[in-house]
Amino acid sequence: GDSVTQMEGPVTLSEEAFLTINCTYTATGYPSLFWYVQYPGEGLQLLLKATKADDKGSNKGFEATYRKETTSFHLEKGSVQVSDSAVYFCALRANTGGFKTIFGAGTRLFVKA
Amino acid sequence: NAGVTQTPKFQVLKTGQSMTLQCAQDMNHNSMYWYRQDPGMGLRLIYYSASEGTTDKGEVPNGYNVSRLNKREFSLRLESAAPSQTSVYFCASSTGTGEETQYFGPGTRLLVL
Repeated sequence: GDSVTQMEGPVTLSEEAFLTINCTYTATGYPSLFWYVQYPGEGLQLLLKATKADDKGSNKGFEATYRKETTSFHLEKGSVQVSDSAVYFCALRANTGGFKTIFGAGTRLFVKA
Repeated sequence: NAGVTQTPKFQVLKTGQSMTLQCAQDMNHNSMYWYRQDPGMGLRLIYYSASEGTTDKGEVPNGYNVSRLNKREFSLRLESAAPSQTSVYFCASSTGTGEETQYFGPGTRLLVL
């Protein structure tokens, strides 16, 4: 079945460091791919998404490119801030029937000042 | 515009007790979802409702029931709570008409003793 695998955390970085959180997926067909972010004590909110191969999603300085050849959707940011500390979830939604979104286990990011 | 609201925010139950988690959205969305979030496991779908009047099982439906009361409201009921149901529960909604982004509530933290 469909699945999402993302790197285990926690990831600890200093402010202004470069961030990469790896995400790979398994799915039939051509799924849509998402990154959601969860700040402490809150629900998830959409960070960015891409709906077809080679699309790049971007928001708030974060970027991810839909790579079908490597089945990946890695999240990157050039310079992280303390306020980026959160849990990041990679997710996919298959475009072949159903309304289910499959989430990865989440990666906790901690940014130190 | 409150988005997705959930009540209660926190609840403690004894094994065998019952309770209903309430969820409402004011975005005129067709589809609604209940997830549970456990450490290291990401989000797992319990039940979903593709549209008013329909409900379907997700990945982990055992021990739960749902009711789509109307287009706005989707409740989750635990008939006889068990310690394994200790978790954080999130309700989400989406338009269900091709736009796949899900909008999440703030969550209900449930502890079953």
